[in-house]
Amino acid sequence: QQPVQSPQAVILREGEDAVINCSSSKALYSVHWYRQKHGEAPVFLMILLKGGEQKGHDKISASFNEKKQQSSLYLTASQLSYSGTYFCGTETLSNDYKLSFGAGTTVTVRA
Amino acid sequence: DTGVSQNPRHKITKRGQNVTFRCDPISEHNRLYWYRQTLGQGPEFLTYFQNEAQLEKSRLLSDRFSAERPKGSFSTLEIQRTEQGDSAMYLCASVKPYGYTFGSGTRLTVV
Repeated sequence: QQPVQSPQAVILREGEDAVINCSSSKALYSVHWYRQKHGEAPVFLMILLKGGEQKGHDKISASFNEKKQQSSLYLTASQLSYSGTYFCGTETLSNDYKLSFGAGTTVTVRA
Repeated sequence: DTGVSQNPRHKITKRGQNVTFRCDPISEHNRLYWYRQTLGQGPEFLTYFQNEAQLEKSRLLSDRFSAERPKGSFSTLEIQRTEQGDSAMYLCASVKPYGYTFGSGTRLTVV
């Protein structure tokens, strides 16, 4: 079952912050975050694992609330390069890496 | 890390024709995943391989779709008797210890 992302879209000025949320109705083993620019493939940003381990991007942070099956991605001091569509991908079983992706959040950062 | 390569990048075909796409994953990654992405949506899981074994197929993968990964190296995805609803971006991904590396995708247009 597909996770729900919010908001659908956000417009920022350079330097502003934003939060993207991802919520699942199922118990999660991990949450992945990807960014996709127009016409390109999604690019891995970060993975958050059950138990608190986090791997990924050094300038974008995220949190994972295992009890609520929710994750949030924090875009801090946004840069023009942060523009794109952000997807969360959720994994409900360990070790199969099969992901269900949300519908995406389109982020536009303006100068 | 030479990346994940997909060919062709674009394919336009007439309804009813068969098409085949190829994915060359990162050589040391033994898991390979196929996803389909339509406009404005996140990727949807189709199938995945561990080495040459196809471990799971989505309900989205009707009997017109077949995927192979001979010898656990490259993979092919074939669609027989294409329909307009098959028009989408077909993404291949191989799995690092954490996160997917996606190929650039094959954009299929069925006319």
